Amino acid sequence: QLHLQESGPGLVKPSETLSLTCTVSGGSISSSSYYWGWIRQPPGKGLEWIGSIYYSGSTYYNPSLKSRVTISVDTSKNQFSLKLSSVTAADTAVYYCSRMDVWGKGTTVTVSS
Amino acid sequence: DIVMTQTPLSSPVTLGQPASISCRSSQSLVHSDGNTYLSWLQKRPGQPPRLLIYKISRRFSGVPDRFSGSGAGTDFTLKISRVEAEDVGVYYCMQATQFPQTFGQGTKVEIK
Repeated sequence: QLHLQESGPGLVKPSETLSLTCTVSGGSISSSSYYWGWIRQPPGKGLEWIGSIYYSGSTYYNPSLKSRVTISVDTSKNQFSLKLSSVTAADTAVYYCSRMDVWGKGTTVTVSS
Repeated sequence: DIVMTQTPLSSPVTLGQPASISCRSSQSLVHSDGNTYLSWLQKRPGQPPRLLIYKISRRFSGVPDRFSGSGAGTDFTLKISRVEAEDVGVYYCMQATQFPQTFGQGTKVEIK
């Protein structure tokens, strides 16, 4: 059974870079033609798609975040990662990694000094 | 970007009664491959989103058959035939036909 698990710092300072990793277990990240994505939910708000990476490595980003986002994949570790630069308080959210049919539990990231 | 608009935003329902949520997209969700990538997700407090329905009407594995999806083009509907206590949460439609993927605002289903 496929399992996704987010990891990374829960607190990031303003203007710094948020870095999260999603570890995939129970299946290979590169064995199937799936998109692996990051979605977030700010407190009291709805879901926001951040971006996705195809198993081949092609990336797709939300235009509203594109200048600050990088998603990459490490097939040797069966992981994919999110980097969001120049964060502000508006980036405070629960961050989920997802294959859309399978979701991680989410990790809360707070941007504060 | 494709804008997804859900109605209503809140739906108080009596246990055992049906609930219906509408989702309208700002443009057709029919992909060039012929598929329509419209999904419905359930978000319960403190839990990650859960895929209920994909490609308009295909129920995901393990999803009770009281959940059903329908629609075409730009208009879609999620129906719960008989609402149970565990169905309380926020429901989102989402399109993956075109990047960026976009979500509706969410519809809160609660028990009267």
